[in-house]
Amino acid sequence: NAGVTQTPKFQVLKTGQSMTLQCAQDMNHNSMYWYRQDPGMGLRLIYYSASEGTTDKGEVPNGYNVSRLNKREFSLRLESAAPSQTSVYFCASRTSGGAYYIDTQYFGPGTRLTVL
Amino acid sequence: GDSVTQMEGPVTLSEEACLTINCTYTATGYPSLFWYVQYPGEGLQLLLKATKADDKGSNKGFEATYRKETTSFHLEKGSVQVSDSAVYFCALGRNNNDMRFGAGTRLTVKP
Repeated sequence: NAGVTQTPKFQVLKTGQSMTLQCAQDMNHNSMYWYRQDPGMGLRLIYYSASEGTTDKGEVPNGYNVSRLNKREFSLRLESAAPSQTSVYFCASRTSGGAYYIDTQYFGPGTRLTVL
Repeated sequence: GDSVTQMEGPVTLSEEACLTINCTYTATGYPSLFWYVQYPGEGLQLLLKATKADDKGSNKGFEATYRKETTSFHLEKGSVQVSDSAVYFCALGRNNNDMRFGAGTRLTVKP
């Protein structure tokens, strides 16, 4: 099993450019998540999808959009990149679709994005 | 709101030394507590967890005890190895759509 995969691993953008970060999981998980990690701040939730066909905002959604393409894939789009979006982005997934059972999250290896 | 504060790194130890990485939390009620580890070039993976006060999570020689009286969940290992070199994240979860992570602590173990 590949687990959670993310593409690309590294990306450099200029301010105003757009791009899509791809995430796929092969564990038949219901829920998927996008986090960003900034120095000294830990991981912060951008958006999540509790199940196929649904998406919801997390702690820091501004400047991002997401698409739950199917059960396997959850993409994150930056429409007009800004230097403040320079970060490491992690995708994660977990089994249960319920909100109140704490299940293990499985993470991808991350995408390091730099916006100049 | 809920938050997690963990020991700033980096931490550098010699092989077989004792490890403690401090983690304290702020939360109402009874959240679950986690330690995740990130090895170089990989995603985060769950190391251990505890779901209620006085629970002890353990895995791969690491331990952490959920202490409600001190709002802490410190990570400990009696004898570290070079292969333990990684970044360690403390996290708090009330549900899976609201997980709060600490900033991470980088551990380097030298032979």
